[in-house]
Amino acid sequence: DGGITQSPKYLFRKEGQNVTLSCEQNLNHDAMYWYRQDPGQGLRLIYYSQIVNDFQKGDIAEGYSVSREKKESFPLTVTSAQKNPTAFYLCASSMRGPPTGATASGSGHEQFFGPGTRLTVL
Amino acid sequence: AQSVAQPEDQVNVAEGNPLTVKCTYSVSGNPYLFWYVQYPNRGLQFLLKYITGDNLVKGSYGFEAEFNKSQTSFHLKKPSALVSDSALYFCAEYAGNNRKLIWGLGTSLAVNP
Repeated sequence: DGGITQSPKYLFRKEGQNVTLSCEQNLNHDAMYWYRQDPGQGLRLIYYSQIVNDFQKGDIAEGYSVSREKKESFPLTVTSAQKNPTAFYLCASSMRGPPTGATASGSGHEQFFGPGTRLTVL
Repeated sequence: AQSVAQPEDQVNVAEGNPLTVKCTYSVSGNPYLFWYVQYPNRGLQFLLKYITGDNLVKGSYGFEAEFNKSQTSFHLKKPSALVSDSALYFCAEYAGNNRKLIWGLGTSLAVNP
């Protein structure tokens, strides 16, 4: 988990509330990611960001929002529009963003994960 | 569509025996392949990757993986399993210009003493 911190470890939310999950990295990585993990479904990408002030939707972005105002920080807000938010949320970072044919370097694309935040809706 | 398959939900092995956790990928061209391990209520830990070069990749904690292009497989192996290896293992790939890491659903490994 080293280098990436997530807080809080456990979070309880009442229905209709927005909550923000913190993710900070001191690895000087360019790219950051948010995943949601549910039992039996593996990891699903919510949002990712390759540079400051820019981010892209993943596969399940509805009901979530992010910001990337600083390189080391990528907070995730779970809004009241997310109908089933109870899950384990994982933040990750990588030195480089996803490889492409033009920019593939062979290194730096592996993602490193924080310890996770378990969100429960009461 | 690109996909990563981990055909076994659970693998059981006795301590000291060799272990294999299977992964197959579906893409033409040159994939970037990764293995991660997750202990209960923890984040994922990077184990190893294949980008290019030798088909046998060595990683953390004594794990290795064999890339087989003809079988589109990237199986994780360890010569002698430890009880502490019991965890959830994920295979993942980037391929071509896909800008998202494609994840398998995970394989739960149980090493029995």
